[in-house]
Amino acid sequence: EVQLVESGGGLVQPGGSLRLSCAASGFTFSSYDMHWVRQATGKGLEWVSAIGTAGDTYYPGSVKGRFTISRENAKNSLYLQMNSLRAGDTAVYYCARSTPGGPSDYWGQGTLVTVSS
Amino acid sequence: DIQMTQSPSSLSASVGDRVTITCQASQDISNYLNWYQQKPGKAPKLLIYDASNLETGVPSRFSGSGSGTDFTFTISSLQPEDIATYYCQQYDNLPPITFGPGTKVDIK
Repeated sequence: EVQLVESGGGLVQPGGSLRLSCAASGFTFSSYDMHWVRQATGKGLEWVSAIGTAGDTYYPGSVKGRFTISRENAKNSLYLQMNSLRAGDTAVYYCARSTPGGPSDYWGQGTLVTVSS
Repeated sequence: DIQMTQSPSSLSASVGDRVTITCQASQDISNYLNWYQQKPGKAPKLLIYDASNLETGVPSRFSGSGSGTDFTFTISSLQPEDIATYYCQQYDNLPPITFGPGTKVDIK
């Protein structure tokens, strides 16, 4: 069974940093692109970052230069290092997998990040 | 960046009704369009990929069509368990991947 389990969320002050993790199981992790998608309370979905099977990374302008996605295939793990956090980064963060260049077919249950003083 | 619009933003329909949601891309995305269902407090679930392909295990009352810039998502006979918000997503142009604003579906 495919499972994606996020962790690392919590309360952080503006300007602070946080590292999210996503533990994957039930599939060959190294063969899939991985994504982070976030959702503020009551709002829509916003794609945050992606990493390909070759380690290529992609970001939208809203987080580029502040967030870093990485993966550790030996540990079946995905990470999101978030720096210079702002109130607008407050959201539930989901990790999701996709076949290379394909849709995100499995998602984790999310971890809540709250940026507040 | 490619912008996605959806309409309506919300709708209310009766059980058994046919429900249609439209999604429009700001530029040609071929068929790189997916549809997701999200129930409150849950992660999104992939229903339709590449505009018209039904994901494995998804009931056949769900369908999608379109290409280029205009896409349609249909529930042929609305069921109580279909109450959710539905999002379209384009992945033709990465980065960024973009989602539509969502359509909330309720039972009348």
